[in-house]
Amino acid sequence: DTGVSQNPRHKITKRGQNVTFRCDPISEHNRLYWYRQTLGQGPEFLTYFQNEAQLEKSRLLSDRFSAERPKGSFSTLEIQRTEQGDSAMYLCASSLTRGFYNEQFFGPGTRLTVL
Amino acid sequence: AQTVTQSQPEMSVQEAETVTLSCTYDTSESDYYLFWYKQPPSRQMILVIRQEAYKQQNATENRFSVNFQKAAKSFSLKISDSQLGDAAMYFCAYRYGGSQGNLIFGKGTKLSVKP
Repeated sequence: DTGVSQNPRHKITKRGQNVTFRCDPISEHNRLYWYRQTLGQGPEFLTYFQNEAQLEKSRLLSDRFSAERPKGSFSTLEIQRTEQGDSAMYLCASSLTRGFYNEQFFGPGTRLTVL
Repeated sequence: AQTVTQSQPEMSVQEAETVTLSCTYDTSESDYYLFWYKQPPSRQMILVIRQEAYKQQNATENRFSVNFQKAAKSFSLKISDSQLGDAAMYFCAYRYGGSQGNLIFGKGTKLSVKP
């Protein structure tokens, strides 16, 4: 399978714990996005990388959130001191920067539940 | 700021019939793209159809077509000959035409298909 993969698919944690999610984009894609989707809402943009550089961060990305993309390949999203409001589906997408309209391909998401 | 509004939280259609999902958006930009994404239950989001704002011709992909009314900032999705596999959440999304291409999503419409 050459699509976007995310691990873990589900994560249950207690409030105050740290969690880390991983996203593996489509191999030739140099752009990688993180979105958050809460129940009954559409995905909301968090941040994106072009290669290893983090180029934009949403105001939704509080100080407790950090994302990395070492060597421009996979990416990790870490949430420190989780809160119940962090419970959501975290989606990763990747795309090329060349090409006509840079379609974003989405992964299956990581569903986070904070107890 | 750009916004996307989907006013129909839920829709239902009989198998083999036609259904139209509504979407309006707000932007001051002239160069942008519009998308419809499908998110089946517990499965990843996939692109259904896209429309470039500068194109007057409405996009069509097999049973899926759009009605793009740029002046009215309206972008509806028509699904013809509905199939059981069309049941999913449908999200309308906007993307600014510049190189920084994060998507802005509506809240989604849940489509049910009755056999």
